[in-house]
Amino acid sequence: DIVMTQSPDSLAVSLGERATINCKSSQSVLYTSNDKNYLAWYQQKPGQPPKLLIYWASTRESGVPDRFSGSGSGADFTLTISGLQAEDVAFYYCQQYHSPPWTFGQGTRVEIK
Amino acid sequence: EVQLLESGGGLVQPGGSLRLSCAASGFTFSDFGMSWVRQAPGKGLEWVSAITGSGNNTHNADSVKGRFTISRDNSKSTLYLQMNSLRAEDTAVYYCAKVGKPRLGIWYFDLWGRGTLVTVSS
Repeated sequence: DIVMTQSPDSLAVSLGERATINCKSSQSVLYTSNDKNYLAWYQQKPGQPPKLLIYWASTRESGVPDRFSGSGSGADFTLTISGLQAEDVAFYYCQQYHSPPWTFGQGTRVEIK
Repeated sequence: EVQLLESGGGLVQPGGSLRLSCAASGFTFSDFGMSWVRQAPGKGLEWVSAITGSGNNTHNADSVKGRFTISRDNSKSTLYLQMNSLRAEDTAVYYCAKVGKPRLGIWYFDLWGRGTLVTVSS
């Protein structure tokens, strides 16, 4: 199984500042045949289901604000929130869909400093 | 409106059974793979089970193999999860989730239901 490890577990960022969340997979989630990284990011607010933010490691889902961006390749990935807004307070999860079982990171809690 | 609506959760004793349903609307259900993902109270997300759009192929997490069965009725646009031999550690909110791309076997999830709570306790 591919193990997904996020860091940090929690971070506090001032409004308008940048938040950076890291996700590392225990093996590469890059398919060289199509040069795609099988990595997604989700946001989950309290009492709500997860919401897809990013897929293919860096493709923003329709309707997601452009302050959210994803980067990385192979086994190391980053979700960046450029200019944190109050509504961005949430848990964030990475997920690999390279091979079953599809696995999630343990989550990162983002709050306002 | 594109949506997923789970039902069937509740309180069940250890060793008991429960069947969850997920009614889909607003998209061509048979074109998309579907999954169940669960979240124990205060914990993270755990993928549980998946089924292709045709229903011909399924995958299950090791933690539920031999106990849970995923199925679908495309004529009713409904996904199911039959859960047998339930354990306390199966206590969680169970979400159904739709894959983002049709017919491609690409398993990220672009639509989630609001979930249904399963509590396994005596």
